[in-house]
Amino acid sequence: DQQVKQNSPSLSVQEGRISILNCDYTNSMFDYFLWYKKYPAEGPTFLISISSIKDKNEDGRFTVFLNKSAKHLSLHIVPSQPGDSAVYFCAAHGSSNTGKLIFGQGTTLQVKP
Amino acid sequence: ETGVTQSPTHLIKTRGQQVTLRCSSQSGHNTVSWYQQALGQGPQFIFQYYREEENGRGNFPPRFSGLQFPNYSSELNVNALELDDSALYLCASTQGASNYGYTFGSGTRLTVV
Repeated sequence: DQQVKQNSPSLSVQEGRISILNCDYTNSMFDYFLWYKKYPAEGPTFLISISSIKDKNEDGRFTVFLNKSAKHLSLHIVPSQPGDSAVYFCAAHGSSNTGKLIFGQGTTLQVKP
Repeated sequence: ETGVTQSPTHLIKTRGQQVTLRCSSQSGHNTVSWYQQALGQGPQFIFQYYREEENGRGNFPPRFSGLQFPNYSSELNVNALELDDSALYLCASTQGASNYGYTFGSGTRLTVV
């Protein structure tokens, strides 16, 4: 069963506009959520995270919103830049004694100049 | 401070063979996790090692096994390779068993023919 879902395989936006990447989850026990960015031939790199006790976290051009009642989170990138073009993964951490992360399938973002 | 390094970067094996993938953790990290990323999917948790002991395992059969050494480097071993084992294998390290602040390596691309 896919506990973390990213239903949009791809997204294309114009440089300078807002990019919104979405993620849904099914397990209400998840206590922490993360976004990773992945370029080809590289490993995922951490972008931004949010604890389940918060509904928003902001870091520069990146903001993550969490709606616990809807089991939904989103990543906003404003303004989008061509260098943001990559695959974005949403990941969730459950309340276990390991650092196990459950990843979504990823969304490929293309930012056009 | 060096990051996480994995070797080899690419590997081709025949069905039924055995393979060993290697990972050097980031300096100061005592916990390592391995993930399998199939094409078009997000990374899937295989297992985690903390201070040389396995302390978490995902839904993978016993032919997937691992080791962590006193210097916190790690190996992933896969026996009796199957075609579906073809994937990108990612190693990630962190400090602390339940710390999800992972640093990922660039991965090993395994192709089973």
